[in-house]
Amino acid sequence: DAGVIQSPRHEVTEMGQEVTLRCKPISGHNSLFWYRQTMMRGLELLIYFNNNVPIDDSGMPEDRFSAKMPNASFSTLKIQPSEPRDSAVYFCASSALNRDREAFFGPGTRLTVL
Amino acid sequence: GQQVMQIPQYQHVQEGEDFTTYCNSSTTLSNIQWYKQRPGGHPVFLIQLVKSGEVKKQKRLTFQFGEAKKNSSLHITATQTTDVGTYFCAGPLSGGYNTLIFGAGTRLAVHP
Repeated sequence: DAGVIQSPRHEVTEMGQEVTLRCKPISGHNSLFWYRQTMMRGLELLIYFNNNVPIDDSGMPEDRFSAKMPNASFSTLKIQPSEPRDSAVYFCASSALNRDREAFFGPGTRLTVL
Repeated sequence: GQQVMQIPQYQHVQEGEDFTTYCNSSTTLSNIQWYKQRPGGHPVFLIQLVKSGEVKKQKRLTFQFGEAKKNSSLHITATQTTDVGTYFCAGPLSGGYNTLIFGAGTRLAVHP
């Protein structure tokens, strides 16, 4: 298995532009998570899907952020419009549905908003 | 809300010295997991502890889960430069959700 796949790996954009981050979870995993990592705030959970359904999006910072999971093998995290304070590394992770399973992280997308 | 706290935030050691990071949860956990993130990399699962008082070893790494299942520690004996990175503990979010809440991590620097 190739593991969790994320694209792009790096994204540099200007303030106000729309940014779309993509994730392909490990085949057979039913849970998908989006995390954001910054030096100041560490690893923050943004949103969590179970069987493609958003379960908890309380970590999504504001309405500019949205996430979708149209099927079991694909998810997107969109920021519109982007702001410099959104600059961070965004990780997608997946795990099996049963509780107490470890999370497998993708390589992350390093986003820079100028 | 539920919190997982880790100390120290950052530790410098000389190669060969020991290192310990501590993790405390505001709630009782069904299990605790440890991850390592190398500089520029992504968190990678190391181990899971489930039982109260459990101790597990992986070569020079020793993991402990407290009796009350609210705290845990990771101890590295005789650190090497390959141990450099950030070590995170994580526990399941309470409420039946299959997701993890992470501590802030301890960044380990090892000087040769």
